[in-house]
Amino acid sequence: DAGITQSPRYKITETGRQVTLMCHQTWSHSYMFWYRQDLGHGLRLIYYSAAADITDKGEVPDGYVVSRSKTENFPLTLESATRSQTSVYFCTSLGIDEQYFGPGTRLTVT
Amino acid sequence: RKEVEQDPGPFNVPEGATVAFNCTYSNSASQSFFWYRQDCRKEPKLLMSVYSSGNEDGRFTAQLNRASQYISLLIRDSKLSDSATYLCVVRKDTGRRALTFGSGTRLQVQP
Repeated sequence: DAGITQSPRYKITETGRQVTLMCHQTWSHSYMFWYRQDLGHGLRLIYYSAAADITDKGEVPDGYVVSRSKTENFPLTLESATRSQTSVYFCTSLGIDEQYFGPGTRLTVT
Repeated sequence: RKEVEQDPGPFNVPEGATVAFNCTYSNSASQSFFWYRQDCRKEPKLLMSVYSSGNEDGRFTAQLNRASQYISLLIRDSKLSDSATYLCVVRKDTGRRALTFGSGTRLQVQP
């Protein structure tokens, strides 16, 4: 099925651990984005990618790393998780005029 | 100041009511405008794009005033199923092309 998928859907991890959130899209869209959603802040851009091997920071990039070796994949890594990174993470890709959202990953850092 | 400002609500309205949401944006370089709907922190879903000429989709009408940097959404004949959070969203169509979200307005339609 065409679409955008995220894994895992739910994750609990401990402070200081590294965790990677996966994002995969089947359309070969050039642009992909990672957002986090927190109460009171709405969705905020963490990182984006304009194409394979081209990535750049968004509003709240500290503590995160991304890569884009293939057009269809855009993983987000928390190098050393902190409690403030407890959030819901959404991956999106940009079609002709519409952004398509993955189902989200709910991450809890204890 | 947030780039996109919305009244968080909640708006509690009876079924059949008309309800209006407003939103202001601060970046005059914004070029595309949207309303998204989000249920219970599931992924946001595009409700409608917003154009300067105004546009309507069934019970939903959206308006954009570029001079005032103001966007509105009108919902007529509210249904229970309209209960959700409505996100005002803007985008520059150059550069990063990312969406900038308001914090959302919560609507609760009551029987």
